[in-house]
Amino acid sequence: EAGVAQSPRYKIIEKRQSVAFWCNPISGHATLYWYQQILGQGPKLLIQFQNNGVVDDSQLPKDRFSAERLKGVDSTLKIQPAKLEDSAVYLCASSLASGWEETQYFGPGTRLLVL
Amino acid sequence: AQSVAQPEDQVNVAEGNPLTVKCTYSVSGNPYLFWYVQYPNRGLQFLLKYITGDNLVKGSYGFEAEFNKSQTSFHLKKPSALVSDSALYFCAVKQGGKLIFGQGTELSVKP
Repeated sequence: EAGVAQSPRYKIIEKRQSVAFWCNPISGHATLYWYQQILGQGPKLLIQFQNNGVVDDSQLPKDRFSAERLKGVDSTLKIQPAKLEDSAVYLCASSLASGWEETQYFGPGTRLLVL
Repeated sequence: AQSVAQPEDQVNVAEGNPLTVKCTYSVSGNPYLFWYVQYPNRGLQFLLKYITGDNLVKGSYGFEAEFNKSQTSFHLKKPSALVSDSALYFCAVKQGGKLIFGQGTELSVKP
């Protein structure tokens, strides 16, 4: 079974530029998550989708971050404009459903460096 | 609000010795607890979870974790460490749909 795919793996941009990340979840997984992992910290949830609807985006900085999951499969996360503090690894995860007992499976992440 | 704490930033173990990576939690209601491992430049890999039932949970790569309700702990263990176990380990608790992670513990296993 293929895992969660993410691209690109690495991205370097200058502040105030825009960037987009792509995620393809495990086939059949209805729930998709984007996490931000700053160096030396555990991942923090940015946004959770159930199919193509947003379940939780309370921690998403909506003035600069946006995300969509068209057709309930792939998802993109965009930052515009980027700030220095956005330098982090962006992890996509998916699970079969959104229940408390469900296991989330993570992709390899996109490492973003903002100069 | 749910939270987890990993009191040790780093754990050093000799190969072949038992290892323990500590985690304590604070939840309202029943805890749903998870352990993940992160190798350099890789995403998080699921190791095991506690939902209900036996306090000793067995997971991938020979790891197990002991749920202790009275001590609000969920320590990760392995009877005999391998050099290849060297990685960053995260404990997490579920809150709604999202995982709340600890800050991570760097495990170093020396030959």
